[in-house]
Amino acid sequence: DAKTTQPPSMDCAEGRAANLPCNHSTISGNEYVYWYRQIHSQGPQYIIHGLKNNETNEMASLIITEDRKSSTLILPHATLRDTAVYYCIVLKGGTASKLTFGTGTRLQVTL
Amino acid sequence: GAVVSQHPSRVICKSGTSVKIECRSLDFQATTMFWYRQFPKQSLMLMATSNEGSKATYEQGVEKDKFLINHASLTLSTLTVTSAHPEDSSFYICSATTTISGGYEQYFGPGTRLTVT
Repeated sequence: DAKTTQPPSMDCAEGRAANLPCNHSTISGNEYVYWYRQIHSQGPQYIIHGLKNNETNEMASLIITEDRKSSTLILPHATLRDTAVYYCIVLKGGTASKLTFGTGTRLQVTL
Repeated sequence: GAVVSQHPSRVICKSGTSVKIECRSLDFQATTMFWYRQFPKQSLMLMATSNEGSKATYEQGVEKDKFLINHASLTLSTLTVTSAHPEDSSFYICSATTTISGGYEQYFGPGTRLTVT
């Protein structure tokens, strides 16, 4: 599975959009981009995933560049409850693949 | 939907005893479940992959005789930490896979914090 690179930490003011970048320059054509987050002392939570098209759900939007070498997770109106570590993970689709968690981005939402 | 539960949420045991942790998918069937371990200020590390009705596949460095995994049904997997020692104290998290959203998403349980004294 392709390796990902994320900034270690980011801050965001409550109510503003949080844009979390992820680089995955070695991604293969059949690999998806998944985003999970982990709030302190809880299990990770699935957010969104995509292959090449932009995706949106009730939690977030995922923007994948045309060359698929990077992506951005957007939380449109961040709240204090969005404070968490966000993980960008690339893995092959079509199977129940194991997840390899990197260090992620620690997002701190402030008043 | 896609709720995964774990029991217990916290457990304290004495060194040398065994502890069993249950992982259940409440509203879906999961052919594959995963067990992770997380030490303080570190990321999740995969311990093993559990498929219903077959033996678990352990990651390199994880002792299969110490961490016994049983996946007896499509909704239940158990992890037993045998002869626990203080260094086994950690946050244990399970996940289960489903295709509810069209892909193979993993949904995680809330975790079990094990403290060995």
